[in-house]
Amino acid sequence: GESVGLHLPTLSVQEGDNSIINCAYSNSASDYFIWYKQESGKGPQFIIDIRSNMDKRQGQRVTVLLNKTVKHLSLQIAATQPGDSAVYFCAEEVNSGYSTLTFGKGTMLLVSP
Amino acid sequence: DAMVIQNPRYQVTQFGKPVTLSCSQTLNHNVMYWYQQKSSQAPKLLFHYYDKDFNNEADTPDNFQSRRPNTSFCFLDIRSPGLGDAAMYLCATSSDRGPYEQYFGPGTRLTVT
Repeated sequence: GESVGLHLPTLSVQEGDNSIINCAYSNSASDYFIWYKQESGKGPQFIIDIRSNMDKRQGQRVTVLLNKTVKHLSLQIAATQPGDSAVYFCAEEVNSGYSTLTFGKGTMLLVSP
Repeated sequence: DAMVIQNPRYQVTQFGKPVTLSCSQTLNHNVMYWYQQKSSQAPKLLFHYYDKDFNNEADTPDNFQSRRPNTSFCFLDIRSPGLGDAAMYLCATSSDRGPYEQYFGPGTRLTVT
């Protein structure tokens, strides 16, 4: 079946570096995408979202890029901090009307001081 | 603050002994979800309620049931927990009016002995 997946299971960076986490999706009908951050022992926390009519959206220190041609989503974190260490999930919405998300496998981001 | 609350945060049950996990929300969202998340995996949707309408995922075992007595509360019942049901159980809510972001609770960590 169609699914959302990630290329890299673990990403290790130094504090202050920029981080890029990638996600591939296969459902061309998906029109809404979310990045979640999940710290150990906690529920996923919303970071940023993007609709399919956009190719870029910026938040505080984070940017999401959407390339519909190759069905690729990325999360860029500027000036990565130790507090950014967590698992990051991309998720796509597969139904319209309300939210039924399909989650990707997740990428562990490890930030070294 | 408006939020999604899950109780208990940690639950230990015996093999085969029924257990109920609870979720409440102050967001007044009409959609509530239950996810199962095992270690190093993405959240897996078990079922969701759209108002009072129950929507079961095709691969959710019959061992898992849910109740939603009112807008604010939703329960997950595991009728006969097996060792394979040990996991983090996440409750989430969303609105059907958009944006379709799902708000997650902190989760309940279930241990089966």
